[in-house]
Amino acid sequence: AQSVTQLGSHVSVSEGALVLLRCNYSSSVPPYLFWYVQYPNQGLQLLLKYTSAATLVKGINGFEAEFKKSETSFHLTKPSAHMRDAAEYFCAVNARATNKLIFGTGTLLAVQP
Amino acid sequence: DAGVIQSPRHEVTEMGQEVTLRCKPISGHNSLFWYRQTMMRGLELLIYFNNNVPIDDSGMPEDRFSAKMPNASFSTLKIQPSEPRDSAVYFCASSLTSGPYNEQFFGPGTRLTVL
Repeated sequence: AQSVTQLGSHVSVSEGALVLLRCNYSSSVPPYLFWYVQYPNQGLQLLLKYTSAATLVKGINGFEAEFKKSETSFHLTKPSAHMRDAAEYFCAVNARATNKLIFGTGTLLAVQP
Repeated sequence: DAGVIQSPRHEVTEMGQEVTLRCKPISGHNSLFWYRQTMMRGLELLIYFNNNVPIDDSGMPEDRFSAKMPNASFSTLKIQPSEPRDSAVYFCASSLTSGPYNEQFFGPGTRLTVL
């Protein structure tokens, strides 16, 4: 079975500081991995995805994530947080044999002025 | 292009009533998904369709829930009878094809409150 674990349900950073949101996956086959963002009262929006090409994936809004097989991790980073980054972030894994996205429990990012 | 359209955006109903949620996927997308989001259980996949055919409904909580996709541009999720524990935000999403690497595009959701 596939799963993702997001460490830290709440993360708070200062504006301009590094953002690091953690995601570890479990998969018996090479996974496809995704990060989605959910702004208040909206649906989810894709930030970036890993599909076994480059291990460092760049997404929208200055976010990037690195796939590390040895650590079974796919952490999301952004060098400098902005107030508009305040949202909930979800890591997700998709089994290659199915079309089902398995989501993590989400990390709520707060950005302090 | 219009994104995924869901209606209604908010629904308040009383226990025992029938509730119908509607979704229009992005034109040309062949896969459609229904999710439920709650504080306790997070995001759960209820059912998904490929080319209007239900492929996996293992996430549907019980027989009170049913979903249909009569054509490529419309799907419904029905709860009959509704219960307070069904209160949640229900999202519809669509993707271009059935490949697992494809991005799913989410609608704005329907916030359901069952009193």
